[in-house]
Amino acid sequence: GQNIDQPTEMTATEGAIVQINCTYQTSGFNGLFWYQQHAGEAPTFLSYNVLDGLEEKGRFSSFLSRSKGYSYLLLKELQMKDSASYLCAVRGSNYQLIWGAGTKLIIKP
Amino acid sequence: DVKVTQSSRYLVKRTGEKVFLECVQDMDHENMFWYRQDPGLGLRLIYFSYDVKMKEKGDIPEGYSVSREKKERFSLILESASTNQTSMYLCASSDTPYQETQYFGPGTRLLVL
Repeated sequence: GQNIDQPTEMTATEGAIVQINCTYQTSGFNGLFWYQQHAGEAPTFLSYNVLDGLEEKGRFSSFLSRSKGYSYLLLKELQMKDSASYLCAVRGSNYQLIWGAGTKLIIKP
Repeated sequence: DVKVTQSSRYLVKRTGEKVFLECVQDMDHENMFWYRQDPGLGLRLIYFSYDVKMKEKGDIPEGYSVSREKKERFSLILESASTNQTSMYLCASSDTPYQETQYFGPGTRLLVL
């Protein structure tokens, strides 16, 4: 079957760095996405990886290893507004997105 | 700025009622999607559409139907609402099937009593 795993909840301190992991088993791979979703709001696009390696975008970076079925989202210089759920999604062989359940990130002062 | 709007943020309906959830996007996107989001589960695709009057079943289409009469509008219909359809419903759109980004609406939280 197809599966996306990510931790349910993580806690970090303002100003620190946090890494949110995502592992996947899918039939086919056509890219991995990270979305941010604040409570009660729509998911918004953060990053897209289709090749191995690190993609950096300001305070956020995303890494992909296709051979390991693994990705992480790295958030630096954490701010209180980064408190949100982070959703990992893989585009499979039929080009539809398969979603993880999301990681709720709690930032403490 | 891409804008996806949904007709209601919150909706309360009774079991057996017919429910219409409307979604409108203003970016002339080809593709539109309906998902439901439940605690502890990833987003699950109900239906999607790649063109006007075209629809494809997603992973959980049972109990739902859709309508896309105009490019900008994609409606989700619950023919006879049941309590297990209590959920958050999210609409999304994207420019092509292969585009990186899906743009989401704010969601409709539906409670079926």
